[in-house]
Amino acid sequence: AQKITQTQPGMFVQEKEAVTLDCTYDTSDPSYGLFWYKQPSSGEMIFLIYQGSYDQQNATEGRYSLNFQKARKSANLVISASQLGDSAMYFCATGRNTGANSKLTFGKGITLSVRP
Amino acid sequence: EAGVVQSPRYKIIEKKQPVAFWCNPISGHNTLYWYRQNLGQGPELLIRYENEEAVDDSQLPKDRFSAERLKGVDSTLKIQPAELGDSAVYLCASTKGLGIQYFGPGTRLLVL
Repeated sequence: AQKITQTQPGMFVQEKEAVTLDCTYDTSDPSYGLFWYKQPSSGEMIFLIYQGSYDQQNATEGRYSLNFQKARKSANLVISASQLGDSAMYFCATGRNTGANSKLTFGKGITLSVRP
Repeated sequence: EAGVVQSPRYKIIEKKQPVAFWCNPISGHNTLYWYRQNLGQGPELLIRYENEEAVDDSQLPKDRFSAERLKGVDSTLKIQPAELGDSAVYLCASTKGLGIQYFGPGTRLLVL
């Protein structure tokens, strides 16, 4: 079984500053993937970044980086140089193996608001 | 490359009425997923298809929900009859091989 915990209340960040969105996970799978998705008010889930459980280095995708701490079972998302368009809901998710062809288990999400 | 297409985007129906949602995955993506997202929650899987075969439908309420994926491409999710608690966003996603799941814009269903 998999579980994702996102407990932060709504987050606020000043434009151009960095922000960290927390995610802790629990899984019984020996090999798993961790994902972050962004959901703006339009409703579409937009894939941001992926981390495999056996990856030695933290994943980075442009302004997004994933701070993966396996021993702590945490997979925090760091957004650098925040932009107004980053205002959205952010979901952390986990899936079996690399997440390929298996279901994703999502957290409840975190609301991020970027202030000008 | 076109993304996952879903229709309709919005649907309002009265309880006990039937409703259907349609999904066209990204071309070449053999795996298709239907998720339901309740207000204030993350999406939860309803059913997963590998080509035309439903390989995981353990979370699908089979008394009122049905799905099909004819020819392993488009998929339809149906609810009959709809209940008030079915109000949610229904998301379709697809992936190819060891790929990432890409989601469509979703269908927002309101049952009155």
